[in-house]
Amino acid sequence: DSGVTQTPKHLITATGQRVTLRCSPRSGDLSVYWYQQSLDQGLQFLIQYYNGEERAKGNILERFSAQQFPDLHSELNLSSLELGDSALYFCASSVDPVTGAKNIQYFGAGTRLSVL
Amino acid sequence: DAKTTQPTSMDCAEGRAANLPCNHSTISGNEYVYWYRQIHSQGPQYIIHGLKNNETNEMASLIITEDRKSSTLILPHATLRDTAVYYCRTMKLTFGTGTRLTIIP
Repeated sequence: DSGVTQTPKHLITATGQRVTLRCSPRSGDLSVYWYQQSLDQGLQFLIQYYNGEERAKGNILERFSAQQFPDLHSELNLSSLELGDSALYFCASSVDPVTGAKNIQYFGAGTRLSVL
Repeated sequence: DAKTTQPTSMDCAEGRAANLPCNHSTISGNEYVYWYRQIHSQGPQYIIHGLKNNETNEMASLIITEDRKSSTLILPHATLRDTAVYYCRTMKLTFGTGTRLTIIP
């Protein structure tokens, strides 16, 4: 158990809909990262938050948005869903984004999103 | 941030040492090297990290070349449960495609 909690584990929805994925980081971790992994693909970095502020952005679509709340949990919002958005979405956390041991990322078990 | 290059796939016999290489020729002086693995569709799992010196923990050993342009992850006695995709990364937030390691009985 990594200490990172993601809910829900599975999500089935229809095209055009909007969903929210939730992530609770490990106790003490201030930085949260979101990744997307499509079938047989690598991990694609979406976005990073540190202590409530956006820190880095990857290939995140405009239809997607995220935020980190004062209690440090994070939510990833996916809207106007398309078939191609079906994927595993992982959240990771680290102590902070600087180098060394504090940058070790601990991953949750993921949310499997199926868009039908 | 340095880009990493890894072989797409490797096989290793059960009980033997698995040596997984990673090239990070553009790594800068203060960038650490991190290794993770992903078993099937589970969340990636941290294995080990290092800066200059070789490192060892209960899971693996990490050998970093003196010029820091490459490193090797060593699983000393591979078991079937070590079958996974292994990712090497530096400070770059993307993970690349990794090496799919298959342990052969």
